[in-house]
Amino acid sequence: GENVEQHPSTLSVQEGDSAVIKCTYSDSASNYFPWYKQELGKRPQLIIDIRSNVGEKKDQRIAVTLNKTAKHFSLHITETQPEDSAVYFCAASGMDSNYQLIWGAGTKLIIKP
Amino acid sequence: NAGVTQTPKFQVLKTGQSMTLQCAQDMNHNSMYWYRQDPGMGLRLIYYSASEGTTDKGEVPNGYNVSRLNKREFSLRLESAAPSQTSVYFCASSELEVQPQHFGDGTRLSIL
Repeated sequence: GENVEQHPSTLSVQEGDSAVIKCTYSDSASNYFPWYKQELGKRPQLIIDIRSNVGEKKDQRIAVTLNKTAKHFSLHITETQPEDSAVYFCAASGMDSNYQLIWGAGTKLIIKP
Repeated sequence: NAGVTQTPKFQVLKTGQSMTLQCAQDMNHNSMYWYRQDPGMGLRLIYYSASEGTTDKGEVPNGYNVSRLNKREFSLRLESAAPSQTSVYFCASSELEVQPQHFGDGTRLSIL
C-alpha cells in the first residue's frame, strides 16, 4: 500500500529565513497531496494542497512543489514568522490507499527569534 | 457554523469498558472520517464513510466499530477498551472523497 515518508522530523530556522519540508510517496498513481498545520493541542488545518496535474502552487508565503517522476513533494515557507511554529503534516492519496489519505509522521518547525 | 463538533473532549476509561465517540458536521459534507493520532506519528485512518449509508475500514480498524447515523453524524465505538487505544481521536469531513478535510477539535482518550 501507499507509504509516505516526511523529513526532517524537526526543523529549526531563524525568523525571516525560509523553511523546506519534503515528503516522498510510494504509489505512482497518487494524485492528491495536501499539507496540514497543527498547533500544539489543536486540530490539523489545511494550509495548501496540490493535485498531480500541477507542478507548483503558491499562496502568499507558502508554496508546494510536486515532482511526479521522483515521487516527492515539498512545502516551502518563506519569510518565516513566529506564528509559523507548529507541526506540519504531508499526506498523499491514490489508488493504493483506496483514495484515502496516508499521512507523513510530521515535522516540528521551530522559528528562532 | 460550528464545522465539525466532537464529544466528549476528554475521557478516561478502564480496560474493558465501552464507549462511543460522537461526531457531527454542519457543512453538508458527504464524506466523514475517524483518525487516531499517537505521539510522534501522523494520523492513521480507522474508518471512513464515503457517503451516507456506506462505511469502510481504514488502516487500523481492529477494536473499533462505526455508524453513519445520517449525513451529519458519524460515531466511533470502542466495544472493549484496551490501553493500546489510548490516543487522540479526530473526526473529519470533506465535501467528497479526495477533497480538503475539515477536522474537529479531537477527543483525548485515556484507557487505564
